[in-house]
Amino acid sequence: AQSVTQPDIHITVSEGASLELRCNYSYGATPYLFWYVQSPGQGLQLLLKYFSGDTLVQGIKGFEAEFKRSQSSFNLRKPSVHWSDAAEYFCAVGAKGGYQKVTFGTGTKLQVIP
Amino acid sequence: DTEVTQTPKHLVMGMTNKKSLKCEQHMGHRAMYWYKQKAKKPPELMFVYSYEKLSINESVPSRFSPECPNSSLLNLHLHALQPEDSALYLCASSQDGGRVNEQYFGPGTRLTVT
Repeated sequence: AQSVTQPDIHITVSEGASLELRCNYSYGATPYLFWYVQSPGQGLQLLLKYFSGDTLVQGIKGFEAEFKRSQSSFNLRKPSVHWSDAAEYFCAVGAKGGYQKVTFGTGTKLQVIP
Repeated sequence: DTEVTQTPKHLVMGMTNKKSLKCEQHMGHRAMYWYKQKAKKPPELMFVYSYEKLSINESVPSRFSPECPNSSLLNLHLHALQPEDSALYLCASSQDGGRVNEQYFGPGTRLTVT
C-alpha cells in the first residue's frame, strides 16, 4: 500500500522569500503524485501533478515540484511567496495502474509574515 | 467548467434527523468521491463511485448512505449521526472512472451534529 509523509507540520516564511515543502512517499513502483492546497474552510485545489516524464513539474500560482525517485521525494517549491499563499498544503500519492484511491499526507500549514 | 458544487454549505442536524448532502459536476467526469475531513487533518476517503456504481466503501458506518442517481450527481444521505460525525464533507470528481487521476474538489459542506 502507498503512503506519504509530510515531515513539517507548520512552516513560517517571510513574504518574498523562497519556499520548499517536503513530501516523501512510499510505493513499490512509480507513483502518481499530487500537491493540493486548501484555504481555511474551503475545498482542495490541485497545484500540480506528476505521472511520468520530466521530473520537474510546473503548476499553477508559480509553484513547481521535483520528483526524485532515489530519495522517494516530491518536494514543492516556490521562488517568492505571496501573503495569499498562506494555506494548508497536502501531498498525495496514488498507485499507477491501480484504482482511484489517493492517499493524502497529513499536511503542512504555511504561514506568511509581512 | 471545472467546478464541483456542493449544497448546503452549512448543515446543523440533531442525532435523530435525516438529511442529505448534494454534489454536482458537469465536467463529464466518471468517478465521484466523498471525503470526510476533521479539523487539522487530511481528507479521509469514504466512498468512490465509478461509472455510477459504488466501487470503494472504506468501511463507513451505515448511518452514511451514498447514492449516485446519474453521472453528474452524488448524494450522501445522513441518518442517526453522532456528534463525532461533525466535520467538513468534501465531494470530488475525476475524469477516468477506472484509474487514478487528478481530482477536482467542491468547497465542502460543514456539518455539525448536535
